Amino acid sequence: EDQVTQSPEALRLQEGESSSLNCSYTVSGLRGLFWYRQDPGKGPEFLFTLYSAGEEKEKERLKATLTKKESFLHITAPKPEDSATYLCAVQASGGSYIPTFGRGTSLIVHP
Amino acid sequence: NAGVTQTPKFRVLKTGQSMTLLCAQDMNHEYMYWYRQDPGMGLRLIHYSVGEGTTAKGEVPDGYNVSRLKKQNFLLGLESAAPSQTSVYFCASSYSVRGEQFFGPGTRLTVL
Repeated sequence: EDQVTQSPEALRLQEGESSSLNCSYTVSGLRGLFWYRQDPGKGPEFLFTLYSAGEEKEKERLKATLTKKESFLHITAPKPEDSATYLCAVQASGGSYIPTFGRGTSLIVHP
Repeated sequence: NAGVTQTPKFRVLKTGQSMTLLCAQDMNHEYMYWYRQDPGMGLRLIHYSVGEGTTAKGEVPDGYNVSRLKKQNFLLGLESAAPSQTSVYFCASSYSVRGEQFFGPGTRLTVL
């Protein structure tokens, strides 16, 4: 059974304090790993897709990286508007390809 | 483009009542999904569809039915609502099963 674990569950940062969110996974074979951002009261919004170990993608203050067992979402010099829940989803190479979501990390950035 | 829309935004039901949630997308996506999101549980897949006229069960299908009569619409039905179905429901669509999903704004359902 595919498993996706995100840590920490919640993270509080001061503005400008860089940190990383973790998504560890157990799948028979990785087809793709997705990162989404979810603001309170809204649906998740797509950020990145990573396909193979060593791959990195960046968008503004966010950088996603991938290894064979986990992915990190690095947040550099965060701002209060980066406050949101970040969701990770893993797609296995076999079966239906339907992704499995982690429970998310709630990030709060204080000014 | 409106993207993915959901109707209604909020609903309160009594135990045993029925209702239908409507999801519509204008991106010509083949794949559509229904999730529920509960505190501490993340997103859990209820049902999904790989094309018009097809549906399949997800992780938590019990108590729900779905229909995909038109490519752009995906309906989620609750025949006899239970308090355990109190949740926020999200619809999503994707061009292919391998691609990213586009989510609607959600429906907050309370079953008393």
